[in-house]
Amino acid sequence: DAKTTQPNSMESNEEEPVHLPCNHSTISGTDYIHWYRQLPSQGPEYVIHGLTSNVNNRMASLAIAEDRKSSTLILHRATLRDAAVYYCILRDATQGGSEKLVFGKGTKLTVNP
Amino acid sequence: DTAVSQTPKYLVTQMGNDKSIKCEQNLGHDTMYWYKQDSKKFLKIMFSYNNKELIINETVPNRFSPKSPDKAHLNLHINSLELGDSAVYFCASSQGKANQPQHFGDGTRLSIL
Repeated sequence: DAKTTQPNSMESNEEEPVHLPCNHSTISGTDYIHWYRQLPSQGPEYVIHGLTSNVNNRMASLAIAEDRKSSTLILHRATLRDAAVYYCILRDATQGGSEKLVFGKGTKLTVNP
Repeated sequence: DTAVSQTPKYLVTQMGNDKSIKCEQNLGHDTMYWYKQDSKKFLKIMFSYNNKELIINETVPNRFSPKSPDKAHLNLHINSLELGDSAVYFCASSQGKANQPQHFGDGTRLSIL
């Protein structure tokens, strides 16, 4: 499984933007970059995914480096409810979609009021 | 309506007992999963079923036996519980196509005395 590297923890202030980095230097051409987050005492929750172009949705934005060896999840205005562990995961699009998610340690985001 | 629901939410039992955890999804998905999150918070796949057929079995002791009576249900039966089985077990589901997100339940916290 392709691996990702994320900082163990990050801190942010409420209503400020947050940039969560992820390195995936061994990414293959068919790997999509997915982000999930896990709020305290809850199951993981899908956030966003992309292949090459930057992506936006109602939860976040995903900025992907031109060489695809890194990406950044952007929360435009952090709220206290965004405090969670954020996981960057690579998924091989040729596997058909029923494949497992391989979770790393993720980044624990703390949001200060 | 909860999309992926697991019961029970908490399960406290003694070593050596047999217990079951139930999972139901109302999303119309054809693929369901069981993940285990240990005390160090690592999330790892255990099983995956697609259309009631086992497709992933990740070196899990055969004391763990998943059963999928239909596409909407995936139950997990555990025989002869051991202390090391204490963890949070998450059920998830997805539409088995490339890049479809997995939807997780809120987990079952299993504690072995």
